[in-house]
Amino acid sequence: AQKITQTQPGMFVQEKEAVTLDCTYDTSDPSYGLFWYKQPSSGEMIFLIYQGSYDQQNATEGRYSLNFQKARKSANLVISASQLGDSAMYFCAMRELSLSSGGSYIPTFGRGTSLIVHP
Amino acid sequence: DVKVTQSSRYLVKRTGEKVFLECVQDMDHENMFWYRQDPGLGLRLIYFSYDVKMKEKGDIPEGYSVSREKKERFSLILESASTNQTSMYLCASSSTGGSGNTIYFGEGSWLTVV
Repeated sequence: AQKITQTQPGMFVQEKEAVTLDCTYDTSDPSYGLFWYKQPSSGEMIFLIYQGSYDQQNATEGRYSLNFQKARKSANLVISASQLGDSAMYFCAMRELSLSSGGSYIPTFGRGTSLIVHP
Repeated sequence: DVKVTQSSRYLVKRTGEKVFLECVQDMDHENMFWYRQDPGLGLRLIYFSYDVKMKEKGDIPEGYSVSREKKERFSLILESASTNQTSMYLCASSSTGGSGNTIYFGEGSWLTVV
């Protein structure tokens, strides 16, 4: 079973509108972290936002916010006021604690959502 | 500025060749990772290392090995490259513990095996 599920292979949005990219996760670990990354066509992975499992408030970074619904195991990314430069692949990821690996957090990624912003 | 550097951006290798992909980070991170990225499949973990000389298999280790002789360097080795290993390979690093809430990536290495 997938640990991170992104159900939207592709999304389209009009410039200046808001868009929500879906992400659900599966874990039994009470301590975990959720990330969103943006990958433009150049291939670089750009960190957008992070939410810890114990964080009380939803994370926000500029035009990005993470709609964290813990009971639903959902961590959707909301991009407000879309710009043409937002066109890219977006990956949701979760890191879980691995006690057998020196107490390290191991990140798992979803399959990604391709977002296209129309002028 | 923090940095993860992958030695080769684009490589073309022949079937059966031994291929080395090198990754160096300058953040003194304990953890380093190798992922491969394929369209529609996202990033899949090949191997990771949480300390020098320590390595753990990820989800798709078959056909790959790794080496971590120094903390800053993590190498991915394809002992005998095959065409199904044509892919984009991403190296990443992070610190241990809950305070390290960012995973840093290299620019990626595009490998074509012919």
